[in-house]
Amino acid sequence: DAGITQSPRYKITETGRQVTLMCHQTWSHSYMFWYRQDLGHGLRLIYYSAAADITDKGEVPDGYVVSRSKTENFPLTLESATRSQTSVYFCASSEGGRSTEAFFGQGTRLTVV
Amino acid sequence: AQTVTQSQPEMSVQEAETVTLSCTYDTSENNYYLFWYKQPPSRQMILVIRQEAYKQQNATENRFSVNFQKAAKSFSLKISDSQLGDTAMYFCAFMNWNYGQNFVFGPGTRLSVLP
Repeated sequence: DAGITQSPRYKITETGRQVTLMCHQTWSHSYMFWYRQDLGHGLRLIYYSAAADITDKGEVPDGYVVSRSKTENFPLTLESATRSQTSVYFCASSEGGRSTEAFFGQGTRLTVV
Repeated sequence: AQTVTQSQPEMSVQEAETVTLSCTYDTSENNYYLFWYKQPPSRQMILVIRQEAYKQQNATENRFSVNFQKAAKSFSLKISDSQLGDTAMYFCAFMNWNYGQNFVFGPGTRLSVLP
């Protein structure tokens, strides 16, 4: 399917477990992003990537790890999940440059118990 | 750092009426983009409208229009002839390509369109 897809859509995990959220895009967009959405905060940037093998921290990176070995994939790993990481996670991509928008996946609702 | 503020956590409007959602932002940059995204209950983020800061003309997309006041750093969204399908969270967002193409979002306004 064309576009940007996230998996899983829903995930429940236990405190201390490692969890990986997947993101795949078919447009060959240069930029990819991970956001978390929490009530009252809107979407906050966790990590972003300008190209394969180039990643950088966003506003709230602590407790998360990303990698981007291929342009189309941008997985997000919670190394040791905590309850404060319960959130809805969005992956997005954009072409880059001046005339662009961000395209979002469907989101992953993660609950840490 | 760029910040985006939406001062109305919740709003409601009668069907067919007009509603305006407020957004202010803070930046020292001169060139940037502003966006309004809609998030219906499906959770999907949908672009509603975008504005380029160097364009003085306000953007319009069908029933959606913006009032962009660059000096005041204000970017409000007007929805005309509101429809039940407009019920959603609305996020204002800022993007400057000098900052890694990052999109900075406001906290959102939950809009309910009442029959």
